Amino acid sequence: GAGVSQTPSNKVTEKGKYVELRCDPISGHTALYWYRQSLGQGPEFLIYFQGTGAADDSGLPNDRFFAVRPEGSVSTLKIQRTERGDSAMYLCASSLNGATGELFFGEGSRLTVL
Amino acid sequence: SQQGEEDPQALSIQEGENATMNCSYKTSINNLQWYRQNSGRGLVHLILIRSNEREKHSGRLRVTLDTSKKSSSLLITASRAADTASYFCATDSSGTYKYIFGTGTRLKVLA
Repeated sequence: GAGVSQTPSNKVTEKGKYVELRCDPISGHTALYWYRQSLGQGPEFLIYFQGTGAADDSGLPNDRFFAVRPEGSVSTLKIQRTERGDSAMYLCASSLNGATGELFFGEGSRLTVL
Repeated sequence: SQQGEEDPQALSIQEGENATMNCSYKTSINNLQWYRQNSGRGLVHLILIRSNEREKHSGRLRVTLDTSKKSSSLLITASRAADTASYFCATDSSGTYKYIFGTGTRLKVLA
């Protein structure tokens, strides 16, 4: 596709459930980023992939959060045993190779944990 | 964690006026970028300035960078109601490709 695609756009789940959020980056972009944004705040870095490998996962808040990018394209952010505090907008961005700087963002997946 | 902090947190101006927002950061950088976000949407890249540049222009946007003060400013000239959005700076923390965003400035341009 022409841009970064994120699905679902909205996800409502119950506390304790497992959630997967998907990101389809721009074709040919080797760098992929996940951010979390709470209302009125800036995007908070979670993890960054270069190709298939996680180059930096220092932003993942705890071991309930995990992300994969098995073929160096689509990425999935997985959240286990969701908590109400996980409610936020999850943003994905891709970049040609990280070094170029410009990030192209998707429209986000809004997660609500009841 | 937030690397950058923008000020002011919120800015309200009349259409046609200039809007200036500032960003301060903590570590050395290779580049600094500015992004715009309309309410409930993804971020859109506006402009990138490298650490060896002091000023850059793009249309109605002017960005300055002062690496000695670890600060940057974004000037939007002749603002329009359509410029109403949140604006964020982002830096590549300590020369890595990990881009950290600031807290944002919410700009409202009144018609």
